[in-house]
Amino acid sequence: GDSVTQMEGPVTLSEEAFLTINCTYTATGYPSLFWYVQYPGEGLQLLLKATKADDKGSNKGFEATYRKETTSFHLEKGSVQVSDSAVYFCALWDNYQLIWGAGTKLIIKP
Amino acid sequence: EPEVTQTPSHQVTQMGQEVILRCVPISNHLYFYWYRQILGQKVEFLVSFYNNEISEKSEIFDDQFSVERPDGSNFTLKIRSTKLEDSAMYFCASTTAYNQPQHFGDGTRLSIL
Repeated sequence: GDSVTQMEGPVTLSEEAFLTINCTYTATGYPSLFWYVQYPGEGLQLLLKATKADDKGSNKGFEATYRKETTSFHLEKGSVQVSDSAVYFCALWDNYQLIWGAGTKLIIKP
Repeated sequence: EPEVTQTPSHQVTQMGQEVILRCVPISNHLYFYWYRQILGQKVEFLVSFYNNEISEKSEIFDDQFSVERPDGSNFTLKIRSTKLEDSAMYFCASTTAYNQPQHFGDGTRLSIL
């Protein structure tokens, strides 16, 4: 079946560093892809999405490009802030459900 | 911005007891979902609900589970006889169309003793 694999965390960076969180997927067809973020004590919030190959989703300085050739949807941000500390989930839409990665905890130190 | 709200935020229940988790989806949304996340594991799909009936369910969603939309605003998940392994964070989500991004509540942490 379909699956999502994310890099293991935690990822610890200094403020203003460049962020990449890797996400690869296995799916039949070309599913919509999502990044969700979970801040401490809060629920799952949609961060960005892409619905077809080569689409770039972006929000709050984060970007991810739907790469069909490498079946990837890596999350990037050019300059992270302490407030970006959270758990980030990559997910794909599988006809009737979201299939989730394990989540990557991001810790940003001032 | 409209939100999905879930109550309670934390529920502690004795094993074998019934528990009802409540959700108020966003008002103009038509599709409703429950997911769960056992501590340290991936988020897992439980069930989707549309037009007052279950549209899909996972193998986790056995006869102990049921969902209901009793009054046009609430969307509930009932676990009839809880087990230790039902301890998890339960997330409710809603969306306007089946392939649109889902909006999630903050979750209910269910602890079975």
